[in-house]
Amino acid sequence: DQQVKQNSPSLSVQEGRISILNCDYTNSMFDYFLWYKKYPAEGPTFLISISSIKDKNEDGRFTVFLNKSAKHLSLHIVPSQPGDSAVYFCAASKIIQGAQKLVFGQGTRLTINP
Amino acid sequence: DGGITQSPKYLFRKEGQNVTLSCEQNLNHDAMYWYRQDPGQGLRLIYYSQIVNDFQKGDIAEGYSVSREKKESFPLTVTSAQKNPTAFYLCASKISGTGLYEQYFGPGTRLTVT
Repeated sequence: DQQVKQNSPSLSVQEGRISILNCDYTNSMFDYFLWYKKYPAEGPTFLISISSIKDKNEDGRFTVFLNKSAKHLSLHIVPSQPGDSAVYFCAASKIIQGAQKLVFGQGTRLTINP
Repeated sequence: DGGITQSPKYLFRKEGQNVTLSCEQNLNHDAMYWYRQDPGQGLRLIYYSQIVNDFQKGDIAEGYSVSREKKESFPLTVTSAQKNPTAFYLCASKISGTGLYEQYFGPGTRLTVT
């Protein structure tokens, strides 16, 4: 049962343009959503997050949008830069018996072309 | 510098041997987690611990064991009962408290079992 899905395994974008990464979820109990960036053979690094009570959060070039009715979130990167090339994971947070658990999507590999 | 360390970066073992992966953090975080990542898949939760001397099974705990004798340390043992042990293993930690959702990841250990 894939509770968090990233349906695009890869995305290629030209430098300077907007990158849009998408994520869908099925569980209405998720209360917080996070995006992580991961380079090969390294651990993921936290990028940006959004509470389920908000619909937008912005941090510099990164904006996350949440559509609760559609159970969909997206990460916008603008302008895209070569250093943004990485795998991006969305994660959804839920509390189980007082403990926080993150459920991750499969990841989207973003390639920024010069 | 505060952070999470995992050692070694690469680990090779013969089938049938138990192997222990190290995870140490000096962030003073209460919660610690172990994930595995397989190619084309997201991170899947193996075990987690909210406090010292307490830990819970995650989604794929079979064939793994953990201990949490110190706040800073959360070693993972991959036993010979784990059917597909070859993977990239990630340790994470998180500060406890409401409104705090980000998990911080170590650099990972790539385990290869032949």
